[in-house]
Amino acid sequence: DAGITQSPRHKVTETGTPVTLRCHQTENHRYMYWYRQDPGHGLRLIHYSYGVKDTDKGEVSDGYSVSRSKTEDFLLTLESATSSQTSVYFCAISVRGQTYNEQFFGPGTRLTVL
Amino acid sequence: GENVEQHPSTLSVQEGDSAVIKCTYSDSASNYFPWYKQELGKRPQLIIDIRSNVGEKKDQRIAVTLNKTAKHFSLHITETQPEDSAVYFCAASRSNDYKLSFGAGTTVTVRA
Repeated sequence: DAGITQSPRHKVTETGTPVTLRCHQTENHRYMYWYRQDPGHGLRLIHYSYGVKDTDKGEVSDGYSVSRSKTEDFLLTLESATSSQTSVYFCAISVRGQTYNEQFFGPGTRLTVL
Repeated sequence: GENVEQHPSTLSVQEGDSAVIKCTYSDSASNYFPWYKQELGKRPQLIIDIRSNVGEKKDQRIAVTLNKTAKHFSLHITETQPEDSAVYFCAASRSNDYKLSFGAGTTVTVRA
């Protein structure tokens, strides 16, 4: 599982409340990613990080912010959750192996915004 | 940016038959093409990948083919088994870009 954990694994919240999801890795990988998964859309990149304090936007970044103050932790924040952000969120890390850009995923967080 | 299209969205096959999933991509500079399998309620798992200097790659019952001229690549599963039932995603990226662009997924059901 590439040493990736996500917390919480499930969360139900109300519209307008802030939510922070945490991704933690134990193997010092430089690249980390946040995706959301929705039926019919596959996996869409929200934000990614290429080092401590180095982050960039993905294709669906509106309404989300991220922070990476330590190599092992990548936080995703929904400043004011909306029902359209109900989704399954996956964190991933990138590992340079025999072929590069191999990405491995965390177990996911199921977020429901009521 | 890269746009990856995946077909079909659903695929039902008889156990023992073959399954084929096709993807097309838009960025001619893409040269890394992984495939992920996601079982219900689980995380996507990398099952096979191919780079653009290779036309075909096999690993037991799964194989991937790549046609760079036509910008499409395919996943082939032979002798399908019930445990092959899952959602499969294709993806593409450039070698100097650590981002992946994913297709929308194919739900494969293997009928006993």
